Amino acid sequence: NAGVTQTPKFRILKIGQSMTLQCTQDMNHNYMYWYRQDPGMGLKLIYYSVGAGITDKGEVPNGYNVSRSTTEDFPLRLELAAPSQTSVYFCASSQADSGANVLTFGAGSRLTVL
Amino acid sequence: GQNIDQPTEMTATEGAIVQINCTYQTSGFNGLFWYQQHAGEAPTFLSYNVLDGLEEKGRFSSFLSRSKGYSYLLLKELQMKDSASYLCAVRKNTGNQFYFGTGTSLTVIP
Repeated sequence: NAGVTQTPKFRILKIGQSMTLQCTQDMNHNYMYWYRQDPGMGLKLIYYSVGAGITDKGEVPNGYNVSRSTTEDFPLRLELAAPSQTSVYFCASSQADSGANVLTFGAGSRLTVL
Repeated sequence: GQNIDQPTEMTATEGAIVQINCTYQTSGFNGLFWYQQHAGEAPTFLSYNVLDGLEEKGRFSSFLSRSKGYSYLLLKELQMKDSASYLCAVRKNTGNQFYFGTGTSLTVIP
């Protein structure tokens, strides 16, 4: 049981380049999330999804896009990378009708924009 | 946005007890969660409260007062491995969203 898998683990981008961070979960969770974490800071919610075909903005959505075509996958797209997007990105999932309804996190993707 | 406040740093001695506070202001409150995050790793779930009162899980306990917008995490019998960042998170009832505070970096010293 892999849980939440993120790829890539590390990536360096040049300003203006585009890329997609991949996130897959195998727990059949209906909710999925993308967070970013800057050094010494907490997690900021970028986008979330309540199920396949449904996505919504979180606290800091500017510069990002998401899609949720399947229950398992929730990719995060950066269209025009900027230095302000240098961060560690965490994907997470949860099952709203389970007991504690906790977030299960992926290992993170460290992105540097130069 | 969500107003979730925690102290930035704390230091405590091995074997002692430490209390990490969290205050919040939010609408649609549906639970207060605590996560532990070691440097370079993903957060992992520790404890949560939906109703007022104390929840105990081994060396970790968490308390919630919804009327005061206040929670704390209590760590007993501190061990060196407890040195980590502790994140307080509020769950909202719309979209099952989780919002995090900035985290409290705890250093346990011998």
